[in-house]
Amino acid sequence: GAVVSQHPSRVICKSGTSVKIECRSLDFQATTMFWYRQFPKKSLMLMATSNEGSKATYEQGVEKDKFLINHASLTLSTLTVTSAHPEDSSFYICSARGGITGELFFGEGSRLTVL
Amino acid sequence: EDQVTQSPEALRLQEGESSSLNCSYTVSGLRGLFWYRQDPGKGPEFLFTLYSAGEEKEKERLKATLTKKESFLHITAPKPEDSATYLCAVLQAGAQKLVFGQGTRLTINP
Repeated sequence: GAVVSQHPSRVICKSGTSVKIECRSLDFQATTMFWYRQFPKKSLMLMATSNEGSKATYEQGVEKDKFLINHASLTLSTLTVTSAHPEDSSFYICSARGGITGELFFGEGSRLTVL
Repeated sequence: EDQVTQSPEALRLQEGESSSLNCSYTVSGLRGLFWYRQDPGKGPEFLFTLYSAGEEKEKERLKATLTKKESFLHITAPKPEDSATYLCAVLQAGAQKLVFGQGTRLTINP
């Protein structure tokens, strides 16, 4: 299946700093990527839909100024958590749609810990 | 509003004990129903896509089936390595985003 790579897999930062997470589709072009957040033992919560070359569409309740999403190319989307606080600590997962069949392929996830 | 409900929330089986996971859905115009496997600390791994009622797909010990209102993930003679959380999601025709169920945590004891 299609490969989506996410980096870094783990990051620890101090409160008030910003952290960038990258999501790349390695063997296909993705016009649309999605960013999810997952709390322990919970399902995936969609944060935003990222479209190449245009502004991301954020889900209700997600702060667009805190979670900056950029989708500058057909193979790369980035999520920047700005001025991170401990409550932003979570598992962030990106995904990309491969081909015309609608399947979503997921990255390995990024564990963010804000001290 | 699209809804996806998975049951049970958690399931413990002995190695070799076959069972089924359920995914009930409500969506107007189903484009696809997806099954994923997620291991702790990892992103979901794609398993199957089902498009229409009556469709079945198999992969090793797993078989997914679809009706007009639910999907089953049958696991035959499971092994401990099949332990994971299994997620079901639906995609509505014309929509971009998947709607996920809460998942079923499957544990296979040796």
